[in-house]
Amino acid sequence: SQTIHQWPATLVQPVGSPLSLECTVEGTSNPNLYWYRQAAGRGLQLLFYSVGIGQISSEVPQNLSASRPQDRQFILSSKKLLLSDSGFYLCAWSSRLVGHNEQFFGPGTRLTVL
Amino acid sequence: QKEVEQNSGPLSVPEGAIASLNCTYSDRGSQSFFWYRQYSGKSPELIMSIYSNGDKEDGRFTAQLNKASQYVSLLIRDSQPSDSATYLCAVNRKIYNQGGKLIFGQGTELSVKP
Repeated sequence: SQTIHQWPATLVQPVGSPLSLECTVEGTSNPNLYWYRQAAGRGLQLLFYSVGIGQISSEVPQNLSASRPQDRQFILSSKKLLLSDSGFYLCAWSSRLVGHNEQFFGPGTRLTVL
Repeated sequence: QKEVEQNSGPLSVPEGAIASLNCTYSDRGSQSFFWYRQYSGKSPELIMSIYSNGDKEDGRFTAQLNKASQYVSLLIRDSQPSDSATYLCAVNRKIYNQGGKLIFGQGTELSVKP
C-alpha cells in the first residue's frame, strides 16, 4: 500500500530564516505530487504541483519554491520566511495512471513564523 | 462566484440523525468529485469519490451527484460524535495530460451532539 511521509511535523521559525520541508511517497511510482497550504480557519491553497522529476508548476507567486529531485520526493523551500507563511503545509499525491486525480494527503507540517 | 462553494456551518445534528452536506461548483466540464473529512489539527482524509450522476453508497456515507444542477452532496446516516469534523468538497479541474488540479471548497464544520 502507498504511504506518504512529511517532516518535520511542527516547526517554529523566525522571520527571515530559510525553510525546507520534505515529502516522500512509498509504494507507488511516477506519482503526481502537490504542495498545499492551509492558513488557520481557511481553505486549502494549492502552491505547487509536479508531474515528474524536475517538473514544477507554480500556482501562487510568492517567496516559496519547490523541487522534485527524485521520483517520490518533493521539497518545499524558502530563502526568507515571512509572517504570512505561517500555516499548515500539506503534501499530497495522486496516481498518473488513473485519470480522476484522487489525491491522498500526508500528515502535514505545522509552521509558525515569529 | 467561487469555483466550489459550501456552507461553512457549523451544522449541528443529534446523534443518530442524517447529516446532509452540500456543495455547488461552477465548471460544467468537471468530471470528478471528492469528499474529504478533516479532523481538527489533522490532514484531510478522502472518504468518497463520485464520477457519475446519481448516488454512490459506502457504509453510512452516500455521495450524490447532479451534473445538470452542478451539485454534489454527502449524506451521513446514523451520525456519530466521531463524525464531528470539517468536510471538504473538491472538484477536479482537468489539465491536459496531467490529471488535473483539485479545487476545494472552504469546508463545512459538522458537529454531532450525543
